[in-house]
Amino acid sequence: NAGVTQTPKFRVLKTGQSMTLLCAQDMNHEYMYWYRQDPGMGLRLIHYSVGEGTTAKGEVPDGYNVSRLKKQNFLLGLESAAPSQTSVYFCASRLASSRPYEQYFGPGTRLTVT
Amino acid sequence: QQPVQSPQAVILREGEDAVINCSSSKALYSVHWYRQKHGEAPVFLMILLKGGEQKGHEKISASFNEKKQQSSLYLTASQLSYSGTYFCGTVYSGGGADGLTFGKGTHLIIQP
Repeated sequence: NAGVTQTPKFRVLKTGQSMTLLCAQDMNHEYMYWYRQDPGMGLRLIHYSVGEGTTAKGEVPDGYNVSRLKKQNFLLGLESAAPSQTSVYFCASRLASSRPYEQYFGPGTRLTVT
Repeated sequence: QQPVQSPQAVILREGEDAVINCSSSKALYSVHWYRQKHGEAPVFLMILLKGGEQKGHEKISASFNEKKQQSSLYLTASQLSYSGTYFCGTVYSGGGADGLTFGKGTHLIIQP
């Protein structure tokens, strides 16, 4: 099992450009998440999905869109990148359950917006 | 509101013990502990559930004080491999958005 993978690993964008980050998991997890990590801030939840075809907003959703067309994939889109979106983006997934289970994190995507 | 972690950083000698605290102003359902090494993804350590159940990791233990909305992570006889940044992630009682609300992290440096 590859676990949670993210594409690309690094990316540099110019202000106003758009891009899509791909997260894939092969653990048949229902729940998937996108977090961003900034120095001194910890990880903050952007959007999440509790199943194929469903998405919901997290703590910092502005400027991002997501889609979950297939159970194993969760896409994060930036329509018009801004320097404030320079960050490391982590995807995570977990089993669906009323009890809290651990989240498995991908290796991250380091995004720089100039 | 992010949970508050303390201390922000700690430097230890190999073999010493460490305690990392996580405090919330909101009622907690569960607390999740992760360790992250520089340039890597967070790695799961432990979950503490309201009601006392927990999942563990050898040589690392944790407590959850429901009344005070606090959790503490205990690392005993620290090893060089324990170095990294430790995050607590919280799930609040009463529902709300899924996902974890993380603290800002505690940097742990273990020296030989």
